[in-house]
Amino acid sequence: DVKVTQSSRYLVKRTGEKVFLECVQDMDHENMFWYRQDPGLGLRLIYFSYDVKMKEKGDIPEGYSVSREKKERFSLILESASTNQTSMYLCASSLWRGHEQFFGPGTRLTVL
Amino acid sequence: KQEVTQIPAALSVPEGENLVLNCSFTDSAIYNLQWFRQDPGKGLTSLLLIQSSQREQTSGRLNASLDKSSGRSTLYIAASQPGDSATYLCAVRRGTSYDKVIFGPGTSLSVIP
Repeated sequence: DVKVTQSSRYLVKRTGEKVFLECVQDMDHENMFWYRQDPGLGLRLIYFSYDVKMKEKGDIPEGYSVSREKKERFSLILESASTNQTSMYLCASSLWRGHEQFFGPGTRLTVL
Repeated sequence: KQEVTQIPAALSVPEGENLVLNCSFTDSAIYNLQWFRQDPGKGLTSLLLIQSSQREQTSGRLNASLDKSSGRSTLYIAASQPGDSATYLCAVRRGTSYDKVIFGPGTSLSVIP
């Protein structure tokens, strides 16, 4: 079974802090994704990566950056957290472009 | 621009009923469509993936159909159980050159024992 894990289930940070969200997949998938999910707005794509050291902006990249130094790990970075970044963050991976996506359990981030 | 809608937004049924969840999309030029379930506060679990060349996919009590020409997909759940209570989302992929998936808002299903 594909397994996608995220470093934290719940996280509370203060405004202005630098925040790292980690995602690891164990199935040698090429593609990895970061989404945020908000009530009434659904899932929105922040960034995705086709391969190591490659990244592409999604719909809402502002205020975020990503890092993919190893194939299995995709990190989402909030350089200076703000209250409007309070959300559920979901990581996903897929074997190749167009293949089905598998999601991690999510990280609920609260920025105070 | 592709838009994905799901009706109804919420559904409550007694245990044992067969039910249908609907997903509509505006652009029929899709690559595939995926159905997920999401339990409260959790991530998404993949249920079924239908490629654009397929008409339906089945897994256990679940059957998903795809009609590209009408821009619709349905998820049929047979003999519903309380454990089926969750939010069900459909997601439409536009193609492989740009790996972008458009998610529907979801249908919240409650199966009453």
